[in-house]
Amino acid sequence: DAGVTQSPTHLIKTRGQQVTLRCSPKSGHDTVSWYQQALGQGPQFIFQYYEEEERQRGNFPDRFSGHQFPNYSSELNVNALLLGDSALYLCASSGGTGSANYGYTFGSGTRLTVV
Amino acid sequence: DAKTTQPPSMDCAEGRAANLPCNHSTISGNEYVYWYRQIHSQGPQYIIHGLKNNETNEMASLIITEDRKSSTLILPHATLRDTAVYYCIACTGTASKLTFGTGTRLQVTL
Repeated sequence: DAGVTQSPTHLIKTRGQQVTLRCSPKSGHDTVSWYQQALGQGPQFIFQYYEEEERQRGNFPDRFSGHQFPNYSSELNVNALLLGDSALYLCASSGGTGSANYGYTFGSGTRLTVV
Repeated sequence: DAKTTQPPSMDCAEGRAANLPCNHSTISGNEYVYWYRQIHSQGPQYIIHGLKNNETNEMASLIITEDRKSSTLILPHATLRDTAVYYCIACTGTASKLTFGTGTRLQVTL
């Protein structure tokens, strides 16, 4: 059973560019959350998607946007990249009919470097 | 979500029990205590969670005090592969966002 899959694993972008990160949730999960983890810090919540709608949002600017597709996969888009956006971006999935409350399943993340 | 407080680092000898404490004095009645760990360069991994009662699974045991203001994660026989940052989080469930603190960096040594 595949867990959470994120792509790409690494990428380098230039300041001012836009980036799209992708996430496929664990089979049976219908809720996807995104987190940003700067070096040496704990992950910070960006937003959560359920039924193709943004259900919760953390303290991130509108440059950060997302989408969830009917197959529950999700994208995170960041516009007008800043050097400070360099981080590990983590996708986590949860929920689903009949799933036990075992917590979130995280992917291995996408390492974004802005130069 | 209630704020949690953990020691920044701990050491443990391989084969011994690792006891990781967490304070969550403002936890509300509907908040669970969740534990995750993050091994270097990987995503966080769910370990265990509980509400009021002590819990045990194949990875660890969770002891929650009767007043629910603190808890302890126990790794009964730590191995080198348990070296990681351990996060204690209070939240209402998997529909709720996770608020990560700085966690406890556990170093297991020979």
